[in-house]
Amino acid sequence: KNQVEQSPQSLIILEGKNCTLQCNYTVSPFSNLRWYKQDTGRGPVSLTIMTFSENTKSNGRYTATLDADTKQSSLHITASQLSDSASYICVVTRNTDKLIFGTGTRLQVFP
Amino acid sequence: ETGVTQTPRHLVMGMTNKKSLKCEQHLGHNAMYWYKQSAKKPLELMFVYNFKEQTENNSVPSRFSPECPNSSHLFLHLHTLQPEDSALYLCASSQERPNTDTQYFGPGTRLTVL
Repeated sequence: KNQVEQSPQSLIILEGKNCTLQCNYTVSPFSNLRWYKQDTGRGPVSLTIMTFSENTKSNGRYTATLDADTKQSSLHITASQLSDSASYICVVTRNTDKLIFGTGTRLQVFP
Repeated sequence: ETGVTQTPRHLVMGMTNKKSLKCEQHLGHNAMYWYKQSAKKPLELMFVYNFKEQTENNSVPSRFSPECPNSSHLFLHLHTLQPEDSALYLCASSQERPNTDTQYFGPGTRLTVL
């Protein structure tokens, strides 16, 4: 069954700390993996996209990794800021055009 | 702003009402999508339009009726909805195909069905 599972469901950290969000998938055949950030009351915004041959990609303080062998991805946030409070959604593309969404990780950053 | 706008941002309707959601993209894209986002559930793709033609309908009940008059505009017509249809409805667009093209989302319409 094609699934994307994210952990933890929710996370609370203090401003300035680092954190790592996890995404495990069973999607096959794999095309690419995206991480989206969704602020409350907003639509998701793309952070990174990685294909099979890429194992890391950065976007500012966000760094995504991909292990296609173990079918795992992580999103690392460095020196968190209050504005990082949001839901982070992992999306895997199956074959050529089917997007499989995870349920997201809700991150809260407190001062 | 991502270049995708949605109106209204909030909508409360009774089960017998008829209403429409509107989406407009200013990015010159050719593909547009409707998604439903319910609490603690993954985004659910409802409809896909590519060059104004509907290319995907994911078994959506007929009480949801999409309309795509041109590549820049997308509507979702609602009638006789159920309380379980209450959710955030997101519109998105991409250049063409979703596998290689990033989707740009609008802010969504928060729908409450009483």
